[in-house]
Amino acid sequence: DVKVTQSSRYLVKRTGEKVFLECVQDMDHENMFWYRQDPGLGLRLIYFSYDVKMKEKGDIPEGYSVSREKKERFSLILESASTNQTSMYLCASSLYSGGIKETQYFGPGTRLLVL
Amino acid sequence: AQRVTQPEKLLSVFKGAPVELKCNYSYSGSPELFWYVQYSRQRLQLLLRHISRESIKGFTADLNKGETSFHLKKPFAQEEDSAMYYCALNPLSGGYNKLIFGAGTRLAVHP
Repeated sequence: DVKVTQSSRYLVKRTGEKVFLECVQDMDHENMFWYRQDPGLGLRLIYFSYDVKMKEKGDIPEGYSVSREKKERFSLILESASTNQTSMYLCASSLYSGGIKETQYFGPGTRLLVL
Repeated sequence: AQRVTQPEKLLSVFKGAPVELKCNYSYSGSPELFWYVQYSRQRLQLLLRHISRESIKGFTADLNKGETSFHLKKPFAQEEDSAMYYCALNPLSGGYNKLIFGAGTRLAVHP
């Protein structure tokens, strides 16, 4: 069974703080993703990574950065948290199989509240 | 532009009633389409993918390229089907296995 874990289930931070969200997968997947999930908007892709030290912007990268120093770990960084970044953050991973698009496996989510 | 539209935020039915969750997509090529489900207090998980042409938990979904739709159907809803359902599109071009999600539909099945 693929396991995707996220370091925190709930986080409360103050405006302007630097926030780190960590994600780890144990299935040697090449691809990792960060989404935010908001009611009425669904899931929106923030960043993704297809290999160590490689990253690509998703649809809403503004205010976020990412780091992937090891294959199993993908970090989302909020350089200076703002109240509009209050959301549920989901991490996902998938195996890249050449031209075949594999299923994405999701973590349990981190609910971030920025005060 | 690539887009997935789920027109209903909430679908409320009684147990035993048929269910159809609508999904329309906008994509010029041949996409790969999925339904993901999130039960209360559980993580988002794959329900089914169109390429497999399978029935999972009694749900089926048929890709209609003419209508650019991928509606999710079940003939007899159960209370345990209550969940949030997301339709997702994976464009087969561009690589990297990205998914584009719809806004989601909450299915509430009442006894």
